[in-house]
Amino acid sequence: GIQVEQSPPDLILQEGANSTLRCNFSDSVNNLQWFHQNPWGQLINLFYIPSGTKQNGRLSATTVATERYSLLYISSSQTTDSGVYFCAVEPSEAGTALIFGKGTTLSVSS
Amino acid sequence: EAGVVQSPRYKIIEKKQPVAFWCNPISGHNTLYWYRQNLGQGPELLIRYENEEAVDDSQLPKDRFSAERLKGVDSTLKIQPAELGDSAVYLCASSFSGPWETQYFGPGTRLLVL
Repeated sequence: GIQVEQSPPDLILQEGANSTLRCNFSDSVNNLQWFHQNPWGQLINLFYIPSGTKQNGRLSATTVATERYSLLYISSSQTTDSGVYFCAVEPSEAGTALIFGKGTTLSVSS
Repeated sequence: EAGVVQSPRYKIIEKKQPVAFWCNPISGHNTLYWYRQNLGQGPELLIRYENEEAVDDSQLPKDRFSAERLKGVDSTLKIQPAELGDSAVYLCASSFSGPWETQYFGPGTRLLVL
């Protein structure tokens, strides 16, 4: 099955710093979503981005489907950005579910 | 608009006991998902419903797990009997009409099997 690899596994930042999280996937996909899981376990959808670039405030994401990767950019990080960021893909094979990566754990300190 | 509601939030049981989790999706969402998240891992799909039909249950351990969504709205996931390895967070999610759309997650039920 499709492999979803996220890097780095862990990231420690000072408040105000910028960061880039990467998601590589091994096969073609119909759908790619980025999620943030806060320290209390709530998963929040950040972007639905099978291709192209989207921005939402301090966050932006780019997916290059032909090269099988996606990037999540966090600018001017805040302590509330801490948590785990997951990339999830829906393989092009019809009827299959979202496959999640193992996530990047981000810790932002003040 | 209310989000996905799950109960209970926490459950501690002894092995071999039964346990059930309940989920009410966002109003109007036809697709409902149950995921299991082990510590340090991403969620893994257990079952997906389109209305009341289970369309993907390939990862559901059917010897001990069962699920239902009788009226195409809320859903129940049951484990009987529970094993130590079932300790995890059980997440429910919903989307308007399929996995190709944005999925909205509930807060999860944290299960500990002793």
